[in-house]
Amino acid sequence: GAVVSQHPSRVICKSGTSVKIECRSLDFQATTMFWYRQFPKQSLMLMATSNEGSKATYEQGVEKDKFLINHASLTLSTLTVTSAHPEDSSFYICSALKGGPSIYEQYFGPGTRLTVT
Amino acid sequence: RKEVEQDPGPFNVPEGATVAFNCTYSNSASQSFFWYRQDCRKEPKLLMSVYSSGNEDGRFTAQLNRASQYISLLIRDSKLSDSATYLCADGTGANSKLTFGKGITLSVRP
Repeated sequence: GAVVSQHPSRVICKSGTSVKIECRSLDFQATTMFWYRQFPKQSLMLMATSNEGSKATYEQGVEKDKFLINHASLTLSTLTVTSAHPEDSSFYICSALKGGPSIYEQYFGPGTRLTVT
Repeated sequence: RKEVEQDPGPFNVPEGATVAFNCTYSNSASQSFFWYRQDCRKEPKLLMSVYSSGNEDGRFTAQLNRASQYISLLIRDSKLSDSATYLCADGTGANSKLTFGKGITLSVRP
């Protein structure tokens, strides 16, 4: 397996503030990480693909100016939810891609539960 | 048509039962598939990877049927601790991104 950490695990913030979530691969280097969002009783929805040293690739319908992604090193990607609103309340999960050159597996962090009041 | 489809269940089985889940995919060129387990309010954990015809790990067997474009997960001798949501995923997207099914909820009763 592989170990991926996320911080914080839970955050409550007021509407209009920004929240930064960190995702770290602890025992391997990850050129590629992914950010997902999951609403209650629904499946994971991919938000964006984070590539070390380059701009993130966002899925259709995800606002890149609202969800800022930075992947400055091979072990750290950050997601900043800017000007958060109650509808942004969700479970945010990152994953890191391990393996290669032909076989890759995604390992997930423990998630961050965001509540915007 | 959705890219990855799962029977939503739920499945409710007694301890010791054998249960099978199927997951169909639409991309005939897909090469890699995965089964994840997700407990309530937790992150998905990788259960099995499927690259060829199948994979077996203890009580768990995953199979890939390319002709019919489905993967299956078989759980033998179910335990109470197997109760969870099982997600299948197609890992053939750009940058190896995963396309998940909606998940199948399994409840194992005493």
